[in-house]
Amino acid sequence: DQQVKQNSPSLSVQEGRISILNCDYTNSMFDYFLWYKKYPAEGPTFLISISSIKDKNEDGRFTVFLNKSAKHLSLHIVPSQPGDSAVYFCAASEGGQGAQKLVFGQGTRLTINP
Amino acid sequence: GAVVSQHPSRVICKSGTSVKIECRSLDFQATTMFWYRQFPKQSLMLMATSNEGSKATYEQGVEKDKFLINHASLTLSTLTVTSAHPEDSSFYICSVKAGTGRETQYFGPGTRLLVL
Repeated sequence: DQQVKQNSPSLSVQEGRISILNCDYTNSMFDYFLWYKKYPAEGPTFLISISSIKDKNEDGRFTVFLNKSAKHLSLHIVPSQPGDSAVYFCAASEGGQGAQKLVFGQGTRLTINP
Repeated sequence: GAVVSQHPSRVICKSGTSVKIECRSLDFQATTMFWYRQFPKQSLMLMATSNEGSKATYEQGVEKDKFLINHASLTLSTLTVTSAHPEDSSFYICSVKAGTGRETQYFGPGTRLLVL
């Protein structure tokens, strides 16, 4: 059972425009959500996170929105840059600050076109 | 953060052989490391939590006798795929827990295993 889903395997966006990556989850016990970015031949690197007590977290060009009632989160990148081209993974966690286990989505490949 | 390396980056082996994958934490002494597996077009799935000096904790459905994990030092964890079969072909990736927050997992570059 896929608890975290990224239904768009790929997304293509024009440079300078907004990229919106979506993620849905089924487990209502998840209390922390993370986005990771992965370049080819490298491991995923942490990008931004959000606690379930918030509905928005912003860090520079990256903003994550959480809609708990819809069990949906999204990552907005604006303006999009060519260096943002990568695979983006959504991940979720439950069990409080000491929790270690992350549940990942399938990833979305973002391509930024010049 | 932590810098994590994996070796080999890619391995091809014959069915029935065993393959060892190393995960090294280059700049952090990690008591906890994680092993994930990713099949094509699927998500990263946690296989097991590797604890230095003690037995690994395996996720449901992961055969501990087939996927042997050894975390003998604070900088090295190994995953051995025993008697590998074509269905074990996958991307194996490790991570290091380098802090208390949930964003403090640092990932290696992964190992692509192909079993013929």
